[in-house]
Amino acid sequence: KAGVTQTPRYLIKTRGQQVTLSCSPISGHRSVSWYQQTPGQGLQFLFEYFSETQRNKGNFPGRFSGRQFSNSRSEMNVSTLELGDSALYLCASSYTGASPQYLDTQYFGPGTRLTVL
Amino acid sequence: DQQVKQNSPSLSVQEGRISILNCDYTNSMFDYFLWYKKYPAEGPTFLISISSIKDKNEDGRFTVFLNKSAKHLSLHIVPSQPGDSAVYFCAAVGSNYKLTFGKGTLLTVNP
Repeated sequence: KAGVTQTPRYLIKTRGQQVTLSCSPISGHRSVSWYQQTPGQGLQFLFEYFSETQRNKGNFPGRFSGRQFSNSRSEMNVSTLELGDSALYLCASSYTGASPQYLDTQYFGPGTRLTVL
Repeated sequence: DQQVKQNSPSLSVQEGRISILNCDYTNSMFDYFLWYKKYPAEGPTFLISISSIKDKNEDGRFTVFLNKSAKHLSLHIVPSQPGDSAVYFCAAVGSNYKLTFGKGTLLTVNP
């Protein structure tokens, strides 16, 4: 079955612009999580969506937002881009469950490399 | 404040030997731990996990050990193979199910 897909794979923007990244989860997966990876901070959790609702949120400013559609596809938006937003943005999908073991079956996409100039 | 720490940025081992990757955490509320492997230009891939009610979990060549009193876990790979060369991330989660990652250790397995 097809894996998690993210588009675009690479993106260059300038400071002050806004950007939208897209994630298509594995078929049947209803949970989509977003992560930011930078050399300085490593991998950090942004937020998680389940059934079109944000279920969990990391410690990022309000410039970072997301949404999930009825087909479980998700988008992440960053407004007023800053140089520090340059990062690899990873999306992961999973079934959901009432215990953390569901994370064992969370699959990551290849990421979108965002460069802010 | 980094709650999950991987103090060794890199590790180099010979093929066939044991690789030991270490991870420390500070938040006593973490009760589930995972290890991921990441190749360049790919997303992380889940390797193995362990619940805080256990002190060891094994899956083939991979074994994770958890020492709750020391807030320390380690990943053992035996025997190491060149294809194991990648960045390894330790991650922890508590009741909020938010994954907190370490910064990773680059493992190089030399033929």
